[in-house]
Parts: sequence; C-alpha cells; structure tokens
Amino acid sequence: NAGVTQTPKFRILKIGQSMTLQCTQDMNHNYMYWYRQDPGMGLKLIYYSVGAGITDKGEVPNGYNVSRSTTEDFPLRLELAAPSQTSVYFCASSYDGSPNQPQHFGDGTRLSIL
Amino acid sequence: KNEVEQSPQNLTAQEGEFITINCSYSVGISALHWLQQHPGGGIVSLFMLSSGKKKHGRLIATINIQEKHSSLHITASHPRDSAVYICAVRSYNTDKLIFGTGTRLQVFP
Repeated sequence: NAGVTQTPKFRILKIGQSMTLQCTQDMNHNYMYWYRQDPGMGLKLIYYSVGAGITDKGEVPNGYNVSRSTTEDFPLRLELAAPSQTSVYFCASSYDGSPNQPQHFGDGTRLSIL
Repeated sequence: KNEVEQSPQNLTAQEGEFITINCSYSVGISALHWLQQHPGGGIVSLFMLSSGKKKHGRLIATINIQEKHSSLHITASHPRDSAVYICAVRSYNTDKLIFGTGTRLQVFP
C-alpha cells in the first residue's frame, strides 16, 4: 500500500494563478481531510469529506474548493492564489470518523505564492 | 490562549537521555493523538489514547483526563528520534482534531 500520496511536493505560483493539489489514498478510507500548516501554528482543517460525493468546510475554507468524485481521490483547488495561501498542505485519511481511528497523512505539498 | 498547548517548544538532548514532552488542553475531548513529523515533512501517527498509558518500543504516552494533560516520554533517546512531536486532541463538541504547535526535538550523539 502506498498510503496517502500527494502531488506535487513543491510548487511556486504567481498571485492570481490557480492550481490543484492532488491527493489519493489506496486504503479504502471513507474520510479524507485537507490541512494547512503555517510556521509556528498548529495544523488547521481546510475541508473534509466523509465519503464520495460529500464534502464540508473546516476551520479555514476561504479561497479553496474541493471535490470527492471517488473514494480514492480528494483534490484541493486554489482558484486565485494569494500570498496568504503560502503554506504546507497535508492531506489525510481515516477509515471512518470514530475517535479510535488514526489519521494517515501524506508527505505534504509546500506551496509558495509570490 | 491556544486550546492545545505543548511544552517545551524546543528541546535538545544527548543520546541516551530520557525525554518528556508535555501537552495541556482546555476543551472536552474524546481522544488525544501524538504525531511525529519527520525532518522531511511527513507526519506519522504514534499514539491515540483516551485514558491511561500506552507503550510502543521506547515511546510511552500517558494521559490524565481530570487534569487535561498528556505526556510523551522517550526512553534512551537516539539521534533518529529527532523530529517535531505534535499533540492533537479530538474535540468532543466538533469531532475535529485541534493541533498543538509542536515540540522540536534534537538528539545529539
């Protein structure tokens, strides 16, 4: 099992550009999450999904969109990149939402907006 | 004030030392997680606990629900233990994880 795979690992964007961060998991997990990690801050939840076709906002959703057309994939889209979106982005998945289920994280995407 | 506080923020140790990282939280929780973030950036789940104590190899995690406090201990520390250790709590109200800012540990030979 590859686990949770994120692409790309690094990206530099210009202000106003758009891009999609890819996330795929091969563990047949129902729940998937997108977090951002800013220097000196804890991870913040952007969006999450409890299954194919179902997504919901997290703590910091502004400027992002997601879709979940399959169980495996949960892409995160930035439509108009802004410097405030410079961060490290982590995708995670869990089998379900119960408290005793661990979240499995990808290796992260480091994104810089210049 | 953050809902999850970790101490210390930075920690250096000599190989072989006993390490303790602390986590205090101010919300009701259904579970507490300890995570390890490698220097390359990847995050790995170490422990999930809702009561008592868990042990895995040289790592021990404890939680005191009444005091809203957890500790992560590393016995016989090794340079490969160098990483950022993150405490996260599962909020009882929102069912979402709230993350601490992490403790950066460096173990020198």
